[in-house]
Parts: sequence; structure tokens; C-alpha cells
Amino acid sequence: DVKVTQSSRYLVKRTGEKVFLECVQDMDHENMFWYRQDPGLGLRLIYFSYDVKMKEKGDIPEGYSVSREKKERFSLILESASTNQTSMYLCASSFSDRESQPQHFGDGTRLSIL
Amino acid sequence: AQTVTQSQPEMSVQEAETVTLSCTYDTSESDYYLFWYKQPPSRQMILVIRQEAYKQQNATENRFSVNFQKAAKSFSLKISDSQLGDAAMYFCAYRRSNFGNEKLTFGTGTRLTIIP
Repeated sequence: DVKVTQSSRYLVKRTGEKVFLECVQDMDHENMFWYRQDPGLGLRLIYFSYDVKMKEKGDIPEGYSVSREKKERFSLILESASTNQTSMYLCASSFSDRESQPQHFGDGTRLSIL
Repeated sequence: AQTVTQSQPEMSVQEAETVTLSCTYDTSESDYYLFWYKQPPSRQMILVIRQEAYKQQNATENRFSVNFQKAAKSFSLKISDSQLGDAAMYFCAYRRSNFGNEKLTFGTGTRLTIIP
């Protein structure tokens, strides 16, 4: 089975801190994604990557950056955390060469910015 | 831009009964994929069922089936013989047909409660 592992289930940080959310997948997937999930808004794509060192902005990239130095790892970075970034963050991965292949998700990180 | 609409924020169904969750989408593409994902209270999102737009036959996975109406841009999920373990948030999602690196566009979700 595909395993997508997010480093923390719960995280509490303070405004202005630099925050790192880590995601690792073990299925050699080319694509990796970061979403945030908010009640009533569903999931919104922050950034995605289709190859090592490649990244594409999603729908809400402001205030975030990403890093993909290795194929299995995709990091989301909050450069200077703000309270409006309090949310659930979900990482996902998928193959890029097989049509209709679904994305596989991690358990999520619930991030609180105080 | 593609949009996905789930007009039912919450639904409930008696155990063993059938429930249908609605989803509509807007796209100018002719080829695409549609998905239903389930997010139980433990929070990991898992795939329930998928549909390729070029296939006329509705997808079925055990107790889960879809009613795909391409002209109406509608993609509803039917759960038969509802079980307590079906209680979850259900998200409808759309993806363009393009080598798997295209993003998913999600609806806002429907919270399904199963009444014992």
C-alpha cells in the first residue's frame, strides 16, 4: 500500500515563526501536492511538484513556499507564520504517467498559529 | 476555471438505507476524470470511486456507485446499504486528463451521518 507520511499530526507555532511541514511518500510517485483544508471551503491547492526541484503554484500560494530536493520528500514552508494560516494541511502524491491514477493522502497536520 | 459544487453540506441516512450525494461541476474540457473521496473522522482521505469522462458506463465499487450525467455535468454518489463506517466527509473532485500531474479541484464536501 502507498504510504504518505506527514511529520506531525498537530503543531502549534507563534506568529512570525518560520514553519516547516514535511511529507514523505514511499511509492516513487512523481507528483506531490500540498493542500489546506478549511471548513466550508473544501481542499485548496497551495503548491504542487511534478519532479525533483520542480514546483508549480496552486490556487493559494501566497505566504507559502515549497522545497523538493528528493523525489520522496516535499516540504511546505511558511516563511512568517500568521494566524490566518491556522488550518489543516494535507499532503498527497500520485504517479504522473498513468491516467486516472488517484492521489494518495497523508493523515494531515493540524497547524495552529498563536 | 473548473469549479466543483456540492450543494449538500450535511446529509444523514438510516443504517442499511440508500443515500445519494450530489455533485455538479463546470468545465469546458471534453476529457477529464471525476473522483469521490472519503475522509473519516481519523482524517486520512481515501478514494471511493473514479469515473473517466469518456466512459458512458457508470462506475461501481461494491456498495458505491455513481450516476454520471456528462451533458448535465453532474456526478452523484449513491451509497447502498449504508453502514456505520460510511460516516465521513465526502468530497467530489475533478481533474483534467493530462498525464496525472494535473491538480484536483475539490468541492466543499458533504458530511454524512449514519443513524443507527
